[in-house]
Amino acid sequence: DVKVTQSSRYLVKRTGEKVFLECVQDMDHENMFWYRQDPGLGLRLIYFSYDVKMKEKGDIPEGYSVSREKKERFSLILESASTNQTSMYLCASSFLGVWNSPLHFGNGTRLTVT
Amino acid sequence: DAKTTQPTSMDCAEGRAANLPCNHSTISGNEYVYWYRQIHSQGPQYIIHGLKNNETNEMASLIITEDRKSSTLILPHATLRDTAVYYCIVVEDQGAQKLVFGQGTRLTINP
Repeated sequence: DVKVTQSSRYLVKRTGEKVFLECVQDMDHENMFWYRQDPGLGLRLIYFSYDVKMKEKGDIPEGYSVSREKKERFSLILESASTNQTSMYLCASSFLGVWNSPLHFGNGTRLTVT
Repeated sequence: DAKTTQPTSMDCAEGRAANLPCNHSTISGNEYVYWYRQIHSQGPQYIIHGLKNNETNEMASLIITEDRKSSTLILPHATLRDTAVYYCIVVEDQGAQKLVFGQGTRLTINP
């Protein structure tokens, strides 16, 4: 089974801190994704990557950056955390394009910014 | 924007078949129908997908109407562990790089 592991289940940070959310997948998948999930807004795509060192903006990239130095690892960076970035963050990976290859999600990181 | 319409919530008795409808009346010929579910405090889980034909796997069956404007996910013998939010998503062939999740259907399996 594909395993997508997010480094932290819960995280509490202060406003203005730089925050790193780490995600690792063990199935040599090409594509990796970062979503955030908020009540009433559903899942929204922040960034995705279809290859090492490649990245594409999703629907809500403002305030975030990403890094993919190795195929198995995709990091989400909050340059200066703000309270409106309090959310559940979900990482996912897929072998091929999302039209013909299921996404495999991690169990999420619940980030609270105070 | 999500291209699907699903009921907000549904209930089903344990052991019975759960039938979850999804309307995707604007679907185009090269768009797949995907189903995911999200159990509380977990990430979404892939269930099944199809293009034109009905599909079955170890988790569920997917019935797509002939005009492809709607589909139904069937969980043949629902258990309490099937309580979750179920998302129906249409995905364009080739061009899309992302999934757009709607609000989904909150399915509650009752003992």
